[in-house]
Amino acid sequence: EPEVTQTPSHQVTQMGQEVILRCVPISNHLYFYWYRQILGQKVEFLVSFYNNEISEKSEIFDDQFSVERPDGSNFTLKIRSTKLEDSAMYFCASSESTQYFGPGTRLLVL
Amino acid sequence: AQKVTQAQTEISVVEKEDVTLDCVYETRDTTYYLFWYKQPPSGELVFLIRRNSFDEQNEISGRYSWNFQKSTSSFNFTITASQVVDSAVYFCAPGDGNKLVFGAGTILRVKS
Repeated sequence: EPEVTQTPSHQVTQMGQEVILRCVPISNHLYFYWYRQILGQKVEFLVSFYNNEISEKSEIFDDQFSVERPDGSNFTLKIRSTKLEDSAMYFCASSESTQYFGPGTRLLVL
Repeated sequence: AQKVTQAQTEISVVEKEDVTLDCVYETRDTTYYLFWYKQPPSGELVFLIRRNSFDEQNEISGRYSWNFQKSTSSFNFTITASQVVDSAVYFCAPGDGNKLVFGAGTILRVKS
């Protein structure tokens, strides 16, 4: 069964560093998303992406964040200058109609 | 914009008991979708069900059933004969086709 994959599973970084989180969506899906979940809290929408552009973004998704689909298979989330409060689990999802989630990348900013 | 309330923060049951998880949502959209996801201790988000707003038929899938009441904006989830493997956080999430708005989640603990 096709699934969304994410790499790395864990990432530790220093405050101020740039990180890139990678996702491979399900191959025939056209809609892509990033969500985050701070430990013990609810899942929050960051951004949706369709046809090579952002469809919608939340207030969390400020200028420090960017997304890209660099080729036909990968979908990336870049955080330019990480802050302590960026520490969270980041989930990628893809959909035709139902969003299927990847296993997540746990980001820890020190 | 959507909003969702899962009033039950945590529920504990003994194996084989039935349990219902409540979900009340708010939306201004006339057409929308409702989802339930399960997050087991391993952390992934597992899709359980998707319901369109114009389809009010209840659904049963094995031990799982869902009761959608558009008049009361509720989409409740019942697990029949619960098992220890059902222990997880369950999220209700309305969606507008562009994003999901997750509730705070209900922690379900099933004890043997």
